[in-house]
Order: sequence, then C-alpha cells, then structure tokens
Amino acid sequence: EPEVTQTPSHQVTQMGQEVILRCVPISNHLYFYWYRQILGQKVEFLVSFYNNEISEKSEIFDDQFSVERPDGSNFTLKIRSTKLEDSAMYFCASNRGGAPETQYFGPGTRLLVL
Amino acid sequence: RKEVEQDPGPFNVPEGATVAFNCTYSNSASQSFFWYRQDCRKEPKLLMSVYSSGNEDGRFTAQLNRASQYISLLIRDSKLSDSATYLCVVTDSSYKLIFGSGTRLLVRP
Repeated sequence: EPEVTQTPSHQVTQMGQEVILRCVPISNHLYFYWYRQILGQKVEFLVSFYNNEISEKSEIFDDQFSVERPDGSNFTLKIRSTKLEDSAMYFCASNRGGAPETQYFGPGTRLLVL
Repeated sequence: RKEVEQDPGPFNVPEGATVAFNCTYSNSASQSFFWYRQDCRKEPKLLMSVYSSGNEDGRFTAQLNRASQYISLLIRDSKLSDSATYLCVVTDSSYKLIFGSGTRLLVRP
C-alpha cells in the first residue's frame, strides 16, 4: 500500500537556524498539506498546496515558513529562523482530490529547537 | 468556543467493554466528519468517515447529528489494541482538517 514518507524522523536544531523538513506524498496525489502537533496538544493545520501554489495557510504559517515542491516527488516545509516554540511533530499529508476525502499522513518529523 | 470539542478522558475500560466517545463542533457549515486514531507519538490514521445516516465498520459505529452538531463513536467488545487516542475531525469549505484534542482510551486486560 502506498505511503507518505517523511525525512528526517527527528531533527534537533539551535534557535535561529533554518530547517527543511521533507515529504514524499503518495505518487498520484495532487493535494499536499502540512500539520503540526506540539507535545500534548492537538494537531493543527499549517498549509495546503495544490498546483504549485499555496491554497490556504493558517495564522501559524507566518513569514518564517515556506513550502516548495522542488521536483515531481518531494514536498518540503522550510522554517527560516527557528524559535523554541517551533518544537513539535510536523506531519505531511496528501490526497488525490483535495475534496473531503481521506488525507493520508506521513509518520512525522519530530523537531526540537534548543 | 473551540471548533471541535472532545472529552479528553482517559476512558479506562476492561477488555470486552463497550465504550462511547462524543464530540461537538461549532461550525454549522462543516462539510465532512471523521474519526482518526492516533497512537502515542505516531501519525493520525483514519478510522472511519462519519455520515448522517450513521455507519458501521466491524466493532465501530459512528453517528452524526447535524442539527445538534454532534458526532459519536461507539466501540464494542474492546480489545487491548484499541488503546489509543481517538481524534474527532471535521472539515470546512476549504477541506483542511480541523482536529479535536482527542479522547484517550485505555483498555485493560
């Protein structure tokens, strides 16, 4: 069964450093998403992406965040200058139609900002 | 008011028990409804979609009441492997997923 994959599984960084989180969505999917989950809190939407542009972003997704689909398979989330409060689990998700159909989640990247 | 509200639990039940979770949502324009399951430090995984007519998948039954903006999940004959956090999820017109904080279930032997 096809899966969404994410790398790295864990990342530790110093405050102020840039990080890039990588995702490979399921191959025939066209809609891509990033969510985050701070430890002990709920999963929160960050951004959705379709046809090489952002469809929607939350208020969390400020100017420090950016997304890119640099090639036909990868979907990346960049945090330009990390803050302590960026420490969280970051999940990538994808689906085919974008409509209210199942979003398939990757295993996540655990980001720790020191 | 939170967009999606759930009782955080934990619900601590013996194997074989029936357990019910409830969820309310604030946006009457919500489009679709789901229950996801999340194991500790893992990604959310779809358990089932929820329809107004109600739907059943094995030991799991989900119900939606649009008038009351209320969603439920019933688990019959609980197994140890059902221990997890159950996430109530709705979508709005943009189709982003809006998660509740989850209800934790512990099934004991």
